Amino acid sequence: AQSVSQHNHHVILSEAASLELGCNYSYGGTVNLFWYVQYPGQHLQLLLKYFSGDPLVKGIKGFEAEFIKSKFSFNLRKPSVQWSDTAEYFCAVGSGNTGKLIFGQGTTLQVKP
Amino acid sequence: EAQVTQNPRYLITVTGKKLTVTCSQNMNHEYMSWYRQDPGLGLRQIYYSMNVEVTDKGDVPEGYKVSRKEKRNFPLILESPSPNQTSLYFCASSFGRLGVGNEQFFGPGTRLTVL
Repeated sequence: AQSVSQHNHHVILSEAASLELGCNYSYGGTVNLFWYVQYPGQHLQLLLKYFSGDPLVKGIKGFEAEFIKSKFSFNLRKPSVQWSDTAEYFCAVGSGNTGKLIFGQGTTLQVKP
Repeated sequence: EAQVTQNPRYLITVTGKKLTVTCSQNMNHEYMSWYRQDPGLGLRQIYYSMNVEVTDKGDVPEGYKVSRKEKRNFPLILESPSPNQTSLYFCASSFGRLGVGNEQFFGPGTRLTVL
C-alpha cells in the first residue's frame, strides 16, 4: 500500500535559520509529488510540485524541494525562514493516472521572531 | 474569482441525523475530492470523482456518500453521522488527473462536530 511519511512532526526554528523537512514515500510506480502549506486558520495552498524533469523544483516564497528517486524522498528546503512561514506543511503523493492522493501526517513549523 | 466553496463552514449535529456538506467550484474542473483532516493523521481522502457520474473510494470512505450529478458540485453526505466523524473536512478540485501533475485547489474547510 502507498504511504507517505514525514519525519518531523513539530519543528521550532529561529528566524533566518535554514529549514529542511523530510518526506519519504512508498510506491513503486510513477509518482507526482506535492508540498502544501496550511497557514493558521486557512485552507491548503500549493507550495511546489514535481511532475517530471529537473528533480530540483522551486516553489513560492523561496521554498524548494529535491526529488531523489533512489531514496524515495522529496524533502522541502528553505535557506532562511521567516516568522510568516509558521504553518503546517504537508507532503503528498499522487500515483500514476489515478485520482488518489496520499498525504503525510504533516509537520508543524513554528518560527520564533 | 476562481474558488472552491463549501457550506456550511461550521456544523454541530447529533448522532444519526443525516447531513450534507456542499462543495462547488467555478473553474470547470473535472476532478473533485473530499478529505478529512485529523490531528496527527494529516489529510485522508474520503472519495474522489474524475468526472460527472464517476466516483471512487479514497482511503476512508466508510460512513460517507457522494454524488457528482453536475460538474461544478460534489456534495458529501453523512447518512447517519457518528462521533468518530467529528473532523475538519476539505473539498478540492483540479483540472484533470492528479497523475499528470495537476494542482488541487482546496476549499476553506468545514468543521463538523457530531455529539
